[in-house]
Amino acid sequence: GQQVMQIPQYQHVQEGEDFTTYCNSSTTLSNIQWYKQRPGGHPVFLIQLVKSGEVKKQKRLTFQFGEAKKNSSLHITATQTTDVGTYFCAGRGTSYGKLTFGQGTILTVHP
Amino acid sequence: NAGVTQTPKFQVLKTGQSMTLQCAQDMNHNSMYWYRQDPGMGLRLIYYSASEGTTDKGEVPNGYNVSRLNKREFSLRLESAAPSQTSVYFCASSPRQQNQPQHFGDGTRLSIL
Repeated sequence: GQQVMQIPQYQHVQEGEDFTTYCNSSTTLSNIQWYKQRPGGHPVFLIQLVKSGEVKKQKRLTFQFGEAKKNSSLHITATQTTDVGTYFCAGRGTSYGKLTFGQGTILTVHP
Repeated sequence: NAGVTQTPKFQVLKTGQSMTLQCAQDMNHNSMYWYRQDPGMGLRLIYYSASEGTTDKGEVPNGYNVSRLNKREFSLRLESAAPSQTSVYFCASSPRQQNQPQHFGDGTRLSIL
């Protein structure tokens, strides 16, 4: 079945440093979504990428979808303590397919 | 607007007991989902309902049953709880199954002794 791998599992940064998490699929994806989960909270949708090579930005967050539609990344510039949480990617093999979540990257930001 | 409401928020069961986790959404969404979250394993889909009247197995359905009671409500039942089912359970909904963001409830933290 479809597998979505996410690295790293943990990342500790100093406030102001950049952060990147990577997502790789065993199969070509129709689209990929990114979610953020604050400690003790529930996943919250951030963005969806659909097109090969797509790049989207949300303030300090930059999301990329690979040319082969098998990998994606989330980059945060100049982290803040409010960025703390777990970031998940989730991919679909087809547009009607089920979402498969990566294991998540737990981000800790030290002030 | 409440969004997705899950009850209960916490529950402790003994091995072999049964229990139903409740989920309701007020966003008029067609599709609903049940996930479990375990440390280091992300979210794994247990069952989903693409639309009212339909349910399908996800990645880890063994030991669970579901009921799509109506468009708003989707319940998850553990018939005979096992310690391996200790987890955080999330219900989610989306307007349709296709290419839609999912909206999650606050979760149910379930411990089975």
